Amino acid sequence: AQKVTQAQTEISVVEKEDVTLDCVYETRDTTYYLFWYKQPPSGELVFLIRRNSFDEQNEISGRYSWNFQKSTSSFNFTITASQVVDSAVYFCALSEPPMNNNAGNMLTFGGGTRLMVKP
Amino acid sequence: DAMVIQNPRYQVTQFGKPVTLSCSQTLNHNVMYWYQQKSSQAPKLLFHYYDKDFNNEADTPDNFQSRRPNTSFCFLDIRSPGLGDAAMYLCATSRVVLYSYNEQFFGPGTRLTVL
Repeated sequence: AQKVTQAQTEISVVEKEDVTLDCVYETRDTTYYLFWYKQPPSGELVFLIRRNSFDEQNEISGRYSWNFQKSTSSFNFTITASQVVDSAVYFCALSEPPMNNNAGNMLTFGGGTRLMVKP
Repeated sequence: DAMVIQNPRYQVTQFGKPVTLSCSQTLNHNVMYWYQQKSSQAPKLLFHYYDKDFNNEADTPDNFQSRRPNTSFCFLDIRSPGLGDAAMYLCATSRVVLYSYNEQFFGPGTRLTVL
């Protein structure tokens, strides 16, 4: 069975601090995708990144960076120089293969990490 | 801008009174999903449509139904809402072909209150 664990339920930092959100996953599939989503107080889930299981290169996008390590089944997310606007709940998710030819790909979500950035 | 739209953003209904939530998309994606998200929890998939094919999750109560009359629209019907159905309902879409793992795009959600 697929499982995603985000051990940190809540993190509080002061603006300009760097912060890392942890994500650990379990899967038996050799091909899978990992995602991060941001959910601000408005409620909409905003897609941040998709990473496939064959690409372990780290990725950087502005102040955001992701570290994917298959050896430890982790896909951690770092925000550099955090800002108040980064305050949100962040979800890590794992994509299962479609069940059949007429099904979408399912997302297994972690429990989410609430990040609070104080001015 | 291409997007996923949900109406209304806030819905209040009475215990046992049927309610319908709507979702539309301009992305022309073939798959549409409905999630339920309760406070401080992760989204929980209720069901999804792959084109016109309906896929129900095993633990989705019969009280929840869905319709997809065309590619752009999908509806969530709650036949007899209970207090436990109060939640945020999220619609999402994705473009899926066999063995693909494309991201899902989410709408802003409808927050349902049951009195």
